[in-house]
Amino acid sequence: GAGVSQTPSNKVTEKGKYVELRCDPISGHTALYWYRQSLGQGPEFLIYFQGTGAADDSGLPNDRFFAVRPEGSVSTLKIQRTERGDSAMYLCASSSIGTSGASETQYFGPGTRLLVL
Amino acid sequence: EDQVTQSPEALRLQEGESSSLNCSYTVSGLRGLFWYRQDPGKGPEFLFTLYSAGEEKEKERLKATLTKKESFLHITAPKPEDSATYLCAVQARRRGKLQFGAGTQVVVTP
Repeated sequence: GAGVSQTPSNKVTEKGKYVELRCDPISGHTALYWYRQSLGQGPEFLIYFQGTGAADDSGLPNDRFFAVRPEGSVSTLKIQRTERGDSAMYLCASSSIGTSGASETQYFGPGTRLLVL
Repeated sequence: EDQVTQSPEALRLQEGESSSLNCSYTVSGLRGLFWYRQDPGKGPEFLFTLYSAGEEKEKERLKATLTKKESFLHITAPKPEDSATYLCAVQARRRGKLQFGAGTQVVVTP
């Protein structure tokens, strides 16, 4: 079946601009995650949704970052007043939830490479 | 605070030269340890989940093992197509997020 998809694949913007990154999870997956990955590093957690609500947003670096998932499927990561330090690969993952309530294996999308000039 | 340390940072192998990657971790109540493979410019691709010490999983030339403090990814008789960055991550109980290590970059030359 179809995997996680992310759009756009690449985004170039100027410092101070607003950007939106979109994630379409695997059909039926109720959990959705956003991570950020800098060159040479592992992915760093940003936020986790169970259904429509953010179950854990402890990884968002500051209030310029915000994410929504209004219908429990597609999610959008929004970054206001972008800074050069926001340049990174933004990864989305989705998973099902097991009978115990725990997240199952997370499957990742191809990522959005964001470059802030 | 959960922590994951991977070693070595980089590994260069001749085709057929077996080796092991290490993932040391500290976590408050392990739910699962995950191995992913990542090709340049792509998202991580799931390989294995290990849930308890002593568990082993195999897939083609890869074998993952788990103890209470570390996990190993053994690559047997690697081929050039095994070249990638291998990422290890832990998930604590009652948490959804994964805590990743920095990865081991593996290059296999013919």
